[in-house]
Amino acid sequence: NAGVTQTPKFRVLKTGQSMTLLCAQDMNHEYMYWYRQDPGMGLRLIHYSVGEGTTAKGEVPDGYNVSRLKKQNFLLGLESAAPSQTSVYFCASSLTASGRAYEQYFGPGTRLTVT
Amino acid sequence: TQLLEQSPQFLSIQEGENLTVYCNSSSVFSSLQWYRQEPGEGPVLLVTVVTGGEVKKLKRLTFQFGDARKDSSLHITAAQPGDTGLYLCAGGGYGGATNKLIFGTGTLLAVQP
Repeated sequence: NAGVTQTPKFRVLKTGQSMTLLCAQDMNHEYMYWYRQDPGMGLRLIHYSVGEGTTAKGEVPDGYNVSRLKKQNFLLGLESAAPSQTSVYFCASSLTASGRAYEQYFGPGTRLTVT
Repeated sequence: TQLLEQSPQFLSIQEGENLTVYCNSSSVFSSLQWYRQEPGEGPVLLVTVVTGGEVKKLKRLTFQFGDARKDSSLHITAAQPGDTGLYLCAGGGYGGATNKLIFGTGTLLAVQP
């Protein structure tokens, strides 16, 4: 099993350009998440999905859109990139929220720079 | 203001020393997880604690969940260079939401040989 994969690994965009980050998981997990990681701020949740065809906003959703058309894929889109979106983006998945505790499995990250 | 604050933010120690990392909040969580992240990789789960006062040991790592379920600590005994990485705490069940985690600010640990 590959677990959680992300493409691309690195990307440089100019302000105003658009792009889509792809996340794929082969563990048949119901829940998927997109986070951004910035120095000193840990991981902040952008959007998440609790199943195919569903999406919900996290802590920092502005400037991003997502889609979950297939259970195994979760796409993160930036319609008009801004320098403030320079960050490392992580995708994660989890089986379900089983009771009060569940484990999230993370991809290797995408490093995005917006100039 | 971050919901989960970790301290210290950075820690550089010599091999063999002991250390403690703290994760504090004014809010109650139903579970608390600790992850370790190595450079260029995503975080990997170390442990989950779900009961106030719970203590779990994983070899040289000891995790504790506060009695009031608002804080947690990670203690490493006789640190080794392989312990180097970013340690993140994450709280589950905030505000009754069972389907997402709130991550702490992170503690970057460097263990010098």
